[in-house]
Amino acid sequence: AQSVAQPEDQVNVAEGNPLTVKCTYSVSGNPYLFWYVQYPNRGLQFLLKYITGDNLVKGSYGFEAEFNKSQTSFHLKKPSALVSDSALYFCAVRDYGYGQNFVFGPGTRLSVLP
Amino acid sequence: EAGVTQSPTHLIKTRGQQATLRCSPISGHTSVYWYQQALGLGLQFLLWYDEGEERNRGNFPPRFSGRQFPNYSSELNVNALELEDSALYLCASSLGTSGGQDTQYFGPGTRLTVL
Repeated sequence: AQSVAQPEDQVNVAEGNPLTVKCTYSVSGNPYLFWYVQYPNRGLQFLLKYITGDNLVKGSYGFEAEFNKSQTSFHLKKPSALVSDSALYFCAVRDYGYGQNFVFGPGTRLSVLP
Repeated sequence: EAGVTQSPTHLIKTRGQQATLRCSPISGHTSVYWYQQALGLGLQFLLWYDEGEERNRGNFPPRFSGRQFPNYSSELNVNALELEDSALYLCASSLGTSGGQDTQYFGPGTRLTVL
């Protein structure tokens, strides 16, 4: 069965500093990995995904994520945080093959302090 | 290009009533997914429809049901509402290609409150 862990409920970072939001996963086959962001009272917005190829994936709003197969991780990063990045971030995994569900992590709340 | 739309934005019901939530996917998308996001909890998968058929179902009781129409829009029905059904219900759509690599795009959600 697939599973996703986001070990930190909350991440605080100062504006202008680099940020990292951690995600580890477990799947039986090859994973498809996704990051979403949710602002208050809104739906989820897609940031980026890893399907295959280059382990470093670049996405929207300056975010990037690195796929590490040996550590089964897919951490979200940004070189310089903005106050407007403050939101709830979800990592999701989907195993290869039709019929597989998305499994979402519990979410990490990012607070960027001015 | 219009995104995923959901209606109504808010819905207030009392215990025992039925609720109907609606979702229109992005044009060209054939798969529709429903999730429940209760306060303090993550996203819980409810249902997945593709090409008019139910493809998968999460661990929810049968009073949660739905359908997908020929135009790929979808409806989620919750019967015999209970207080713990109060949550944000999110709909997502995707291209529905095989292999599962397509991205899900989410609507703004319907906030269901059960009194």
